[in-house]
Amino acid sequence: QKEVEQNSGPLSVPEGAIASLNCTYSDRVSQSFFWYRQYSGKSPELIMSIYSNGDKEDGRFTAQLNKASQYVSLLIRDSQPSDSATYLCAVRRSGGSYIPTFGRGTSLIVHP
Amino acid sequence: EAGVAQSPRYKIIEKRQSVAFWCNPISGHATLYWYQQILGQGPKLLIQFQNNGVVDDSQLPKDRFSAERLKGVDSTLKIQPAKLEDSAVYLCASRSVGGGTDTQYFGPGTRLTVL
Repeated sequence: QKEVEQNSGPLSVPEGAIASLNCTYSDRVSQSFFWYRQYSGKSPELIMSIYSNGDKEDGRFTAQLNKASQYVSLLIRDSQPSDSATYLCAVRRSGGSYIPTFGRGTSLIVHP
Repeated sequence: EAGVAQSPRYKIIEKRQSVAFWCNPISGHATLYWYQQILGQGPKLLIQFQNNGVVDDSQLPKDRFSAERLKGVDSTLKIQPAKLEDSAVYLCASRSVGGGTDTQYFGPGTRLTVL
């Protein structure tokens, strides 16, 4: 079983719609959760981090965490063509060496 | 604030040759990571440094890969000898902690092609 699983996509949504990206993880002691955006040929860029159950909003982005279900999601409201990228979910245990484990990423395409 | 610097940006070598990558993290960042990202996959950690000490290198193929961070600032990752399956982007990242944030900043990466 992979530690962090994401649907590779592509997820295609029309401009202005809500894009919903999902991630499940296997390690129950995971405490920190991150969403990175990676444009083609570029390096990952952190867009959201979440540590507690519930929702965290930042602009058009909302991260949702459910530790009981071992599930974290990212919602992008009012999707724009510039949001087209691969979104990487990363999960990290508490304490220790603070090493995040990345999923393979979901490709998002926002079409005009 | 300058970002994480990496060089070279691209490298093409023949299998069994050696190659080295260089990384200069953001000033003041004590934690430095090297990742390998194969096309279509997420980054996989190779090694983590805290200052000049190794925190975790459990996924580093030590028979061919080595890394050092001698003065706790810049770092070098070496592959010797390279195999075809080493073709990937090698990402360096440094970590900032404080003020309620915990963020990894990635460099632009080095794209390695092994022929």
